[in-house]
Amino acid sequence: AQSVSQHNHHVILSEAASLELGCNYSYGGTVNLFWYVQYPGQHLQLLLKYFSGDPLVKGIKGFEAEFIKSKFSFNLRKPSVQWSDTAEYFCAVYGNAGNMLTFGGGTRLMVKP
Amino acid sequence: NAGVTQTPKFQVLKTGQSMTLQCAQDMNHNSMYWYRQDPGMGLRLIYYSASEGTTDKGEVPNGYNVSRLNKREFSLRLESAAPSQTSVYFCASSPQGVGEQYFGPGTRLTVT
Repeated sequence: AQSVSQHNHHVILSEAASLELGCNYSYGGTVNLFWYVQYPGQHLQLLLKYFSGDPLVKGIKGFEAEFIKSKFSFNLRKPSVQWSDTAEYFCAVYGNAGNMLTFGGGTRLMVKP
Repeated sequence: NAGVTQTPKFQVLKTGQSMTLQCAQDMNHNSMYWYRQDPGMGLRLIYYSASEGTTDKGEVPNGYNVSRLNKREFSLRLESAAPSQTSVYFCASSPQGVGEQYFGPGTRLTVT
């Protein structure tokens, strides 16, 4: 069975600081990888996705993520966070054995103005 | 396109009452899902429907039933609500086989 770990549960940053959120997964086969964001009181929205090709993917709002196959990781980065990035971030993995998306436990990011 | 819609947005139930949460999508997606979200536990899959006419249990199916009414609609029923079912419920849909899911706005359910 596939599983996803997000090691940082809560992160507090000041505006303009750099962000890196960790995501590791366990699954032996081909995977599609996702980061979703949930702003306070809202539903989950897709931030970026990786299916194949260039392992560095760029998403909306200046976010990017790097797929490192040897480390089973898909870390999310942003060079300079803004107060409006305050949200909960979820990493998710889709392995083609079973039609299910597996989510990590989420990382709650607070950006102080 | 409305995307994924859910009704109701909020609901308060007494223990033992029943209710059905409704979900519809207009993206012609094959697959639909029901999740619950609890603080510190991320999203947990309750049931899913890979295609019209099929449903399968997810990680936490106990106390719930689902119906895939047609390709657009996927409902979640609580037959006898319990306080442990207090949660935010999200419906999602997906084109089959890629994993990318589109989420509805959620239903906040409180069981007293």
